[in-house]
Amino acid sequence: TQLLEQSPQFLSIQEGENLTVYCNSSSVFSSLQWYRQEPGEGPVLLVTVVTGGEVKKLKRLTFQFGDARKDSSLHITAAQPGDTGLYLCAGFDSGSARQLTFGSGTQLTVLP
Amino acid sequence: DVKVTQSSRYLVKRTGEKVFLECVQDMDHENMFWYRQDPGLGLRLIYFSYDVKMKEKGDIPEGYSVSREKKERFSLILESASTNQTSMYLCASSLQQYEQFFGPGTRLTVL
Repeated sequence: TQLLEQSPQFLSIQEGENLTVYCNSSSVFSSLQWYRQEPGEGPVLLVTVVTGGEVKKLKRLTFQFGDARKDSSLHITAAQPGDTGLYLCAGFDSGSARQLTFGSGTQLTVLP
Repeated sequence: DVKVTQSSRYLVKRTGEKVFLECVQDMDHENMFWYRQDPGLGLRLIYFSYDVKMKEKGDIPEGYSVSREKKERFSLILESASTNQTSMYLCASSLQQYEQFFGPGTRLTVL
């Protein structure tokens, strides 16, 4: 069974601060995705990274896929209260599993 | 935009009842999934389907069954609800296997 560990589990910061969320595994993934989930709603896909070392930017969010495709990070610059939510990483293995493996999530709260 | 809808946002049932959770997607996706989400455990896959009338067990299928009679509809069935099935249930669909689009979820409470 493939596992994805996210850290930290909880993060509470002030508006304007920067933060990084980590997603780590001992397994190699074909691709990795980041989702954001707001209370009472389903997760919404933010980005998919496919190539080892790939960096993608989405406004103030920067996503990186590790060179070995075993880990990923999400960096938020100048966080805003609207960034509050549960951030989930999910890895896809095109080989045996053919399923998404989700991390347990990072609950981010940005205080005004 | 892909739209995935779930029949109920909140549901309260009693132990032993048969429970049906319905999911409909409007983008002609072949792949559909049912997850449950519990605090600290993330999303766990219950069942998935890659085609009509086809189903495969996920990581935690015990106590659940599914039905996919039409491409756009994927139902999750709790044959005899138990209190440990109290959870948030999320349906998802995808064209490619990895980019999944989720419904809003059904928060089920079993008393």
